[in-house]
Formats: sequence, structure tokens, C-alpha cells
Amino acid sequence: QQPVQSPQAVILREGEDAVINCSSSKALYSVHWYRQKHGEAPVFLMILLKGGEQKGHEKISASFNEKKQQSSLYLTASQLSYSGTYFCGTEIMNTPLVFGKGTRLSVIA
Amino acid sequence: EAQVTQNPRYLITVTGKKLTVTCSQNMNHEYMSWYRQDPGLGLRQIYYSMNVEVTDKGDVPEGYKVSRKEKRNFPLILESPSPNQTSLYFCASSFSPAYGYGYTFGSGTRLTVV
Repeated sequence: QQPVQSPQAVILREGEDAVINCSSSKALYSVHWYRQKHGEAPVFLMILLKGGEQKGHEKISASFNEKKQQSSLYLTASQLSYSGTYFCGTEIMNTPLVFGKGTRLSVIA
Repeated sequence: EAQVTQNPRYLITVTGKKLTVTCSQNMNHEYMSWYRQDPGLGLRQIYYSMNVEVTDKGDVPEGYKVSRKEKRNFPLILESPSPNQTSLYFCASSFSPAYGYGYTFGSGTRLTVV
């Protein structure tokens, strides 16, 4: 079942923070986060596994709340290079990765 | 360089003319998948493979076929393409998502069926 991402789109000024949420109606084994720039392929950012954890990647971090079946991606002090569409992908045990519809992030100067 | 290679990058074809989109990875990954991307719908999985000779349907398998005869290759076959298969297609591979490895995507194939 496709995870639900929110918001669908967000516009930020450089230096501002953003949170992108990803929720599922089913118990999750893992959550993936990817970024896709216009005209390019998605690029893997991070994966969070069952057990509940938080990860960081430069100024981009994520949390996984297993109980609530949701994950959040945090972008702090945004830069122009953060612009793109962010996808979460969720795995339920023994099923393949299913992606959400994406969140379009635009960072302006 | 570790990569997933898809060919062709662009393809325009006519309805009903069989075509194959190739996908090859040089990372010895076990998991491979095909996705199609359409505006507003995100990435939808067509087929996936967990190892050689092991394939299974994703969310939108109708009209597509795949094979996994070798670990490195995972071609996508459209036996009789139709206009509703016009889309951007991505192949992706991973060592093992269950152990914390993400997917590496190919550059994509933009297919237009007229």
C-alpha cells in the first residue's frame, strides 16, 4: 500500500527548515528516503530500519516512529541545492519497496 | 564506476511493436526492480527480482514482462506497447534493503508510444 507523504509541495527561503512526513497504514519494516532533481534519477539519502531510529546526513536527518508507522525527514538551514522532489519508500516484511507520490521542495534565494 | 545502466535513454515507438529496455548493474546486487514514473503518481513498481530466476509482480505489471537469467541484467519487455505505457522508466538495484542498503537507480528511459 502506497505511503502518504505530506506536504505535497513546499517553498522555502535559503536557511529555513522543513519537515516532510511519510505515513503508512501498515506496520513497517523500513523506510527509505530519496531525492530526485528535475530530469535526473532518484538518489538514495538514507534508510531507517525497524526498531525506531534517527539518522543524519549532513543537514538532512530523519526519524522513524515504528509505533506510529511514520517517518519524518528534516532539512535544516536549507540550501539551493536541496531543491527537488523527495520520496519516501516503505517496506513491509517480505514485500518490495513502495514509494509515496513525493514532496516537491523548492528553495529560493 | 558502480552504476546501473539503462538503454536506451529515449525511445519513440508505435503501438504494438515489441521492445526491450535493457538494465545492467556492475555491483553484484541481488535485488533489482523496474519502476515507472508518471506526473502526480510517483514511482510505481512494475516488477522486481530478489535473485537470478526469481521475479515477482509489483503494483502495475500488466503489459510488461521481465527476466533475470543473470545477476547483472534485468531487461524489461513490452510485448505489445500501448499509448498508456508512455512514461519514464527507471531500473534500480540494491545489495539488500533488509540490511540497510538503499537502491541505486539508472538514468531512466523516456518511452513514448504513438
